[in-house]
Amino acid sequence: NAGVMQNPRHLVRRRGQEARLRCSPMKGHSHVYWYRQLPEEGLKFMVYLQKENIIDESGMPKERFSAEFPKEGPSILRIQQVVRGDSAAYFCASSPLVGAGGEQYFGPGTRLTVT
Amino acid sequence: DAKTTQPNSMESNEEEPVHLPCNHSTISGTDYIHWYRQLPSQGPEYVIHGLTSNVNNRMASLAIAEDRKSSTLILHRATLRDAAVYYCILRDLGNQGGKLIFGQGTELSVKP
Repeated sequence: NAGVMQNPRHLVRRRGQEARLRCSPMKGHSHVYWYRQLPEEGLKFMVYLQKENIIDESGMPKERFSAEFPKEGPSILRIQQVVRGDSAAYFCASSPLVGAGGEQYFGPGTRLTVT
Repeated sequence: DAKTTQPNSMESNEEEPVHLPCNHSTISGTDYIHWYRQLPSQGPEYVIHGLTSNVNNRMASLAIAEDRKSSTLILHRATLRDAAVYYCILRDLGNQGGKLIFGQGTELSVKP
């Protein structure tokens, strides 16, 4: 059973370009979470999605960031008009069920560098 | 989610047990105690979780105080591969979103 897959693993963008980060959850998992880890900082929750629905986006920046998890295909985190402050590691996690008892399985992350 | 307090760093010798403490004095009755770890340059990894009773799995043991205001993650024989940042996280049954709120964690170093 393959784990959570993220691609690309490394992404370089110039300021003002768009970044698209993809996450394929584990087989059978319908809950996806995105987290961001800025350099020398801790992990911060961004958004929680189920298939075709955004459940909790309380950690998403108000502008330029969006996320989706379509019925078919991977979850996408999209960052428009990237700035240097967006440089970070972005981790996706998936879970087979929601609730306090369910563990989350993390992918290897996408390291975004904005030049 | 209730806050947890962990030491910033700890050291251990290889093949010795490690006890990683976590204080959560404001824990509520519906909070689960979760532990994750993050190895260098990798994504976080689930370690163990519990509610009231002590828990064991192939990776570690979780000892929960009777009043639940503190817990200890126990690695029975540390290996070099256990060097990581360990996060103690409380998750509420009422938190339907299921998000994890990470603190600063404890950076564990293991000496050969």
